[in-house]
Amino acid sequence: RKEVEQDPGPFNVPEGATVAFNCTYSNSASQSFFWYRQDCRKEPKLLMSVYSSGNEDGRFTAQLNRASQYISLLIRDSKLSDSATYLCSMGGGGNKLTFGTGTQLKVEL
Amino acid sequence: DAGVIQSPRHEVTEMGQEVTLRCKPISGHNSLFWYRQTMMRGLELLIYFNNNVPIDDSGMPEDRFSAKMPNASFSTLKIQPSEPRDSAVYFCASSIQGSNQPQHFGDGTRLSIL
Repeated sequence: RKEVEQDPGPFNVPEGATVAFNCTYSNSASQSFFWYRQDCRKEPKLLMSVYSSGNEDGRFTAQLNRASQYISLLIRDSKLSDSATYLCSMGGGGNKLTFGTGTQLKVEL
Repeated sequence: DAGVIQSPRHEVTEMGQEVTLRCKPISGHNSLFWYRQTMMRGLELLIYFNNNVPIDDSGMPEDRFSAKMPNASFSTLKIQPSEPRDSAVYFCASSIQGSNQPQHFGDGTRLSIL
């Protein structure tokens, strides 16, 4: 089993829709969680950290479910500019992060 | 503020040649990471340094790959000799050392080995 698993998608959604991605992890000792966004032919960019209490940044909400070992990302009122690949990552202590292979989102008119 | 700076942005070379990729981390960051990204395998950690010391190189594919960090503001990843299967995007990232610290990536080097 992979340490971090994501549905590769693509998720094709109309503009304005709400879309959610999940990311499961196998290491119960994981302590830090992040969502990154990667545009085509660009580098991954930090989107948001994921805290135990959940956190929200504008249209984006990230949550952690330790019991079921997954994190989620919810995007409300999706925009064309949200089209990208979303990578989840987690650390098991120290600095090292393990990344999922990403979920591709396509927002359409 | 300057982000992570990588060079070159693109590299095309023939198999058997030596390739050197360079990275300057964000000032004040004391952890540096080298990743390789391909369609098939996604983003793979090759090696990382804390305070210029290699901590985990278990992701380095084979002896043809080597990495150094002679000081806090510079690191290199070298492939010698290069092979076509090394073609990928190589990213450098840096962070402040410690748990719960996100990593910040450079623009990457697109490497093509012919």
